[in-house]
Amino acid sequence: QLQLQESGPGLVKPSETLSLTCTVSGGSISSSTYYWGWIRQPPGKGLEWIGSVYYRRSSFYNSSLKSRVTISVDTSKNQFSLNLTSVIAADTAVYYCTTGGPLRPLDYWGRGALVTVSS
Amino acid sequence: QSALTQPASVSGSPGQSITISCTGTSSDVGGYNYVSWYQQHPGKAPKLMIYDVTNRPSGVSNRFSGSKSGNAASLTISSLQAEDEADYYCSSYTSSSTLVFGGGTKLTVL
Repeated sequence: QLQLQESGPGLVKPSETLSLTCTVSGGSISSSTYYWGWIRQPPGKGLEWIGSVYYRRSSFYNSSLKSRVTISVDTSKNQFSLNLTSVIAADTAVYYCTTGGPLRPLDYWGRGALVTVSS
Repeated sequence: QSALTQPASVSGSPGQSITISCTGTSSDVGGYNYVSWYQQHPGKAPKLMIYDVTNRPSGVSNRFSGSKSGNAASLTISSLQAEDEADYYCSSYTSSSTLVFGGGTKLTVL
């Protein structure tokens, strides 16, 4: 059974970079079975897809975030990461790491990590 | 990419059936059979309930079913139970190789 766990700072200052890591257990990050992605949910609001990567093959990003987002894979640690640059208050959200996207279902989810953007 | 359209709320009594709609365009819902539905209880991560329009993951009750007609998809929950009370989100693959969600529907079990 695949398990995902987000980690990273809970507070980021405006204009700085939000960095989160997702640790994968129960499976290999380099497996061709899975896409790896990030979803966010502002407090009290709906879900927003950030992007997904297919290891060593392709990356897909939300067009509204594409200029600020990078998702990368670290096979040595069985982790994948999210970097979101130049953050603003509107980037405050619970960030979930998932398997899947954009054409594959999001079948495994982490518990989520709340990141607040504030000075 | 605009969000898919879902009703803000639906309600039903235990034992009844309800349907949640998800309306998009020919560039997303209508163009591909990659519609999924997610259930989210308060404070919890979403859970995949339906994928590829009609398919149920292992372990999901057969009271949940999905369908699609044209640019609109639907999630039907039969024999409604108290534990079904949650937020439900649809999602679809798009012609831009992205994923778009609906705004979410709050299901209340009366």
